[in-house]
Amino acid sequence: DGGITQSPKYLFRKEGQNVTLSCEQNLNHDAMYWYRQDPGQGLRLIYYSQIVNDFQKGDIAEGYSVSREKKESFPLTVTSAQKNPTAFYLCASSIGSGDTYYEQYFGPGTRLTVT
Amino acid sequence: AQKVTQAQTEISVVEKEDVTLDCVYETRDTTYYLFWYKQPPSGELVFLIRRNSFDEQNEISGRYSWNFQKSTSSFNFTITASQVVDSAVYFCGLGSNFGNEKLTFGTGTRLTIIP
Repeated sequence: DGGITQSPKYLFRKEGQNVTLSCEQNLNHDAMYWYRQDPGQGLRLIYYSQIVNDFQKGDIAEGYSVSREKKESFPLTVTSAQKNPTAFYLCASSIGSGDTYYEQYFGPGTRLTVT
Repeated sequence: AQKVTQAQTEISVVEKEDVTLDCVYETRDTTYYLFWYKQPPSGELVFLIRRNSFDEQNEISGRYSWNFQKSTSSFNFTITASQVVDSAVYFCGLGSNFGNEKLTFGTGTRLTIIP
């Protein structure tokens, strides 16, 4: 079945450690996105990528990094510089972006807890 | 700046009752689009509907209907004859027709259907 895979579902880390969240899609979508969800705050865009080897910062990119070496994969690294990393992280993809809207399809999310 | 307000944080209704989720938006764009997503307890967001700003026709899909009114900047969502499976968090959102990477989500409404 086509879809978006995020692993793991739950992730625990000690403060000061970098951690990488996985996002893979087999929908042949060009665009991929990372969102952060906090209780009562909706979703906020961290990074997005419209094409392989290219990505742009979203609204809350500080303390995060991404790579897009393959069309199918868009991993997110939460660095030790992120002051409040505990959150629910959602990855999404869409056929494209730019001047035409395409629906974004979401993965199941990774809940990261940093103590 | 774009803003989406979902004033209802939580709603509970008894099964088979109708329920309306409110969504009010602000944007300076002349063309834009609005959307609704459902987030069940499993976590992933499920796309429900997208509406372009130039299309004010209301839409009905089974038990779901959407009322778009530009005059009041609202895009409300009604579930008729609610079912327990409708229990979820529902997000309204806003995007620009010139790039869907800049989606603005509301803070969500948690809907609980009581059997």
